[in-house]
Amino acid sequence: DAKTTQPPSMDCAEGRAANLPCNHSTISGNEYVYWYRQIHSQGPQYIIHGLKNNETNEMASLIITEDRKSSTLILPHATLRDTAVYYCIVRVLNNDYKLSFGAGTTVTVRA
Amino acid sequence: GAGVSQSPSNKVTEKGKDVELRCDPISGHTALYWYRQSLGQGLEFLIYFQGNSAPDKSGLPSDRFSAERTGGSVSTLTIQRTQQEDSAVYLCASSFGGSSETQYFGPGTRLLVL
Repeated sequence: DAKTTQPPSMDCAEGRAANLPCNHSTISGNEYVYWYRQIHSQGPQYIIHGLKNNETNEMASLIITEDRKSSTLILPHATLRDTAVYYCIVRVLNNDYKLSFGAGTTVTVRA
Repeated sequence: GAGVSQSPSNKVTEKGKDVELRCDPISGHTALYWYRQSLGQGLEFLIYFQGNSAPDKSGLPSDRFSAERTGGSVSTLTIQRTQQEDSAVYLCASSFGGSSETQYFGPGTRLLVL
């Protein structure tokens, strides 16, 4: 059973913001939203996570809706190096350590 | 600072041979995880180490797979009598503290069994 739903692919112009949606309509109150990405032939890279408040770090911003049923990862100024598969997952921060990724969103940043 | 490192980055072996894959976690991280990722497949959990606790080996696919973690730091994943279906990318991750923490992944070891 998929806990999150993401579009299979999206294109983005270099220098523009990339907004990646994720639906998690069955999220529980104690589940966090996590984002990872995987650039071709590399290991997964942690991006950001949050519970209910919006979060920002040096890589991205995470906007979580008030009902927590969906979220958006924002890459503010996409570069060609941001081309990757982006995974949105939900996990409980208590013994929920067996990460599994769905198909994710393949983001292609074009010059 | 230094991230998770893995070696070798690539390994080609013949069916039936044993292989050892190494993982150096981020300094200070007490938890270490092994996963594998087959071509076009998702992430498959293999094993979890946390401090001195007994590891969670529930994801190891067969008794040909084993892992150890010496001195609470470096870990080695051993695959005996490799089979072609063992071909995959083997990923190591570590986290500060226990299972609730964010996992940071290494670059992976690409194993090809001929």
